[in-house]
Amino acid sequence: DVVLTQSPLSLPVTLGQPVSISCRSRQRLVHGDGRTYLNWFHQRPGQAPRRLIYRVSNRDSGVPDRFSGSGSGTDFTLKISRVEAEDVGVYYCVQATTWPYTFGQGTKLEIK
Amino acid sequence: EVHLVESGGGLVQPGRSLRLSCAASGFNFDQYVFHWVRQAPGRGLEWVSGIYQNGATDYADSVKGRFTVSRDTAKNSLSLQMDSLRAEDTALYYCIGDKAGDLEFWGQGTLVTVSS
Repeated sequence: DVVLTQSPLSLPVTLGQPVSISCRSRQRLVHGDGRTYLNWFHQRPGQAPRRLIYRVSNRDSGVPDRFSGSGSGTDFTLKISRVEAEDVGVYYCVQATTWPYTFGQGTKLEIK
Repeated sequence: EVHLVESGGGLVQPGRSLRLSCAASGFNFDQYVFHWVRQAPGRGLEWVSGIYQNGATDYADSVKGRFTVSRDTAKNSLSLQMDSLRAEDTALYYCIGDKAGDLEFWGQGTLVTVSS
């Protein structure tokens, strides 16, 4: 199975601060069709996960442009340019290049 | 509007069975792969099972031989038959619609508690 390692696992931040979350894979996530199926989700307490970014860098409709995804091969990053209060929760990367799909451990973002 | 609605969760004793269902609407069911993903209390997300458009299936090692996923195109529904349940199967189970490796649609989940 593809192992995804997120860092940091805990992210205490100040409102307005920029943050980055890393997601690293032990193997390349490029599919045979040439695409990279690495997605990012945000989960608020008591809610289902909500997709933010699909295929590395495509932002979902309704997701603020302060969120961006980047990376290639085995190293991927989710960035928030200026953290707002509504961004608290847990962020997960998930690879869908190979079955079984696998998730990172999650990064918990909280406001200091 | 897209909807995925899970049902069938509840409290069950170890060793017993439970069947989860997921009703889909608002998109072309036949074109989607479906997955079950679970989240144990206070823990992260774990992929459990998936079923392709042609009915081919796959399972996490932790549930292989105990869980069976199926889809009913006529009813636009997905099922997860869970047998020989264990305490470690306790989790919130999400149904997910996936067209192109992007895990596009999620339900709100149904809670399964395995306890005596």
